[in-house]
Amino acid sequence: AQTVTQSQPEMSVQEAETVTLSCTYDTSESDYYLFWYKQPPSRQMILVIRQEAYKQQNATENRFSVNFQKAAKSFSLKISDSQLGDAAMYFCAYSYVFGNEKLTFGTGTRLTIIP
Amino acid sequence: NAGVTQTPKFQVLKTGQSMTLQCAQDMNHNSMYWYRQDPGMGLRLIYYSASEGTTDKGEVPNGYNVSRLNKREFSLRLESAAPSQTSVYFCASLNPRTRPTSSTGELFFGEGSRLTVL
Repeated sequence: AQTVTQSQPEMSVQEAETVTLSCTYDTSESDYYLFWYKQPPSRQMILVIRQEAYKQQNATENRFSVNFQKAAKSFSLKISDSQLGDAAMYFCAYSYVFGNEKLTFGTGTRLTIIP
Repeated sequence: NAGVTQTPKFQVLKTGQSMTLQCAQDMNHNSMYWYRQDPGMGLRLIYYSASEGTTDKGEVPNGYNVSRLNKREFSLRLESAAPSQTSVYFCASLNPRTRPTSSTGELFFGEGSRLTVL
């Protein structure tokens, strides 16, 4: 079974600084997707960024980028120029590519932005 | 464009009472899911439905039943609620495709339903 581990329950960063959230996963598959979801206080789950395992290039979305290390099974999220609106729970998730594609989530990292 | 709609958003039950959480999506997605979110445990899959007429157990199915009423609707029922079922419940949908054109794997979530069992 696939597992996703987020070892940082809480993180904090000064506004405008950069922060990196860690995620590791375990799978025997070679073809899969990895995701970072953001959950602000509103409780809505919002997709931040997505990475296909067959792509070597790291995904980027504006201030958000990932460091995908397939051999190490590591998938970290870097947030640059942190903003107050980035404060949220961040969940790392894994999905096998083929089939009904159930997502397996990590336990989350609560990110606090310090003004 | 409503996306995924869950009702109710809040509910308080007494132990032993029953209730049904309703979920509907208007994106013509095949797959639908019910997750529960508990502090320190992330989101855990309760049940999922890969297509209309099919349902399968996820990681934590005990105490729950589901119905895929049609392609749009997927309900979650608690027959005899227990305090351990106090949680936030999320419905989600996804439209998978077969190889070689795989889907994005992105789940679209409802806003969540906070359930408290006393």
